[in-house]
Amino acid sequence: EAGVVQSPRYKIIEKKQPVAFWCNPISGHNTLYWYLQNLGQGPELLIRYENEEAVDDSQLPKDRFSAERLKGVDSTLKIQPAELGDSAVYLCASSFLSNTGELFFGEGSRLTVL
Amino acid sequence: GQQVMQIPQYQHVQEGEDFTTYCNSSTTLSNIQWYKQRPGGHPVFLIQLVKSGEVKKQKRLTFQFGEAKKNSSLHITATQTTDVGTYFCAGSDGGSQGNLIFGKGTKLSVKP
Repeated sequence: EAGVVQSPRYKIIEKKQPVAFWCNPISGHNTLYWYLQNLGQGPELLIRYENEEAVDDSQLPKDRFSAERLKGVDSTLKIQPAELGDSAVYLCASSFLSNTGELFFGEGSRLTVL
Repeated sequence: GQQVMQIPQYQHVQEGEDFTTYCNSSTTLSNIQWYKQRPGGHPVFLIQLVKSGEVKKQKRLTFQFGEAKKNSSLHITATQTTDVGTYFCAGSDGGSQGNLIFGKGTKLSVKP
């Protein structure tokens, strides 16, 4: 069974440029999460989807970040424009049940903003 | 808001020594999970604790959930070099959002 798939694994951009990350969760997992992980820190939730509905986006900086999960399967996280402080690993995770049970994380997308 | 704190931040041990990391929440938790992240890797689920005072074991790993459901610990007996990584606890208060809040992790290094 395929795990959570994320792309790209690495992205280097200059500040003020846009960037997008893609995530395909495990088949059958209705809940999808985007987390931000800074170096030496734990994952911090950006947004949680139940199917195609964003049920918690309270930690998403909406001035520059956006996300979508149009068909309730794969998801895209976008940053426009990127800032130096956005350099981090963006982790996607999915779970069968919402907020209980195991989270399955993807390999992450490491963003470097120059 | 809910906060989850972990100590220590770093732990260096000699192979064969024991290791313990502690997790404390500012609020009562409905459940707590533990994850391991190898260097350069992604968090991988280890276990979930739900009941007050619960103790679970996985080979050399022992997980405890406090009676008040506000703290937890992970203990590794006789560490091996394969135990290297960062161990995160993540707690949920089961509120309206009920999101998992991750601690900052304890980074374990094991000297052979």
